[in-house]
Amino acid sequence: GENVEQHPSTLSVQEGDSAVIKCTYSDSASNYFPWYKQELGKGPQLIIDIRSNVGEKKDQRIAVTLNKTAKHFSLHITETQPEDSAVYFCAAHMDSNYQLIWGAGTKLIIKP
Amino acid sequence: ETGVTQTPRHLVMGMTNKKSLKCEQHLGHNAMYWYKQSAKKPLELMFVYNFKEQTENNSVPSRFSPECPNSSHLFLHLHTLQPEDSALYLCASSQPAAVPGELFFGEGSRLTVL
Repeated sequence: GENVEQHPSTLSVQEGDSAVIKCTYSDSASNYFPWYKQELGKGPQLIIDIRSNVGEKKDQRIAVTLNKTAKHFSLHITETQPEDSAVYFCAAHMDSNYQLIWGAGTKLIIKP
Repeated sequence: ETGVTQTPRHLVMGMTNKKSLKCEQHLGHNAMYWYKQSAKKPLELMFVYNFKEQTENNSVPSRFSPECPNSSHLFLHLHTLQPEDSALYLCASSQPAAVPGELFFGEGSRLTVL
């Protein structure tokens, strides 16, 4: 079946450094790729998304890149801050059944 | 505050109990979802309702029974659960499910089955 692989499962970076989380997907027909952030005790919240007709999108310190040929997309966070500590999930949308296929999550730890 | 409210936040039940989870959204969305979240696993989609009609049931055991009386409310009725059903159950809403876009999640109901 369709799946999304997400790496790493845990990422620890020094405050102020950059963090990169990568996801690969299997269905070449996927056309929408969101990233969600989940803080402790809360539900996931969308932080950025990208559609298949775009290669890169930025929103302040957050950026997402998409390589359709290689079927992978990445989340980049620059100048990390303590409030960036959370679990981040990637997902890929399949047109065929309107479902999002999710990665297993990355726990990002920002060290002071 | 995401506009999606789930109750109760925590629930402990025995294997023979019957309980229900409730979700309410104030966003005017027409699609609502139940997800199961277990540690270090991808979110598992359980049920999708689009304009109050169930459109997806991802091979969920019959001990989980959804109900969507209107586009603002969603219930998950639980009976004869197993310990492996212990998890965080997330409700979400969005614009019609066929249009890929943002999901708005509640804070979840943490279920423990003894």
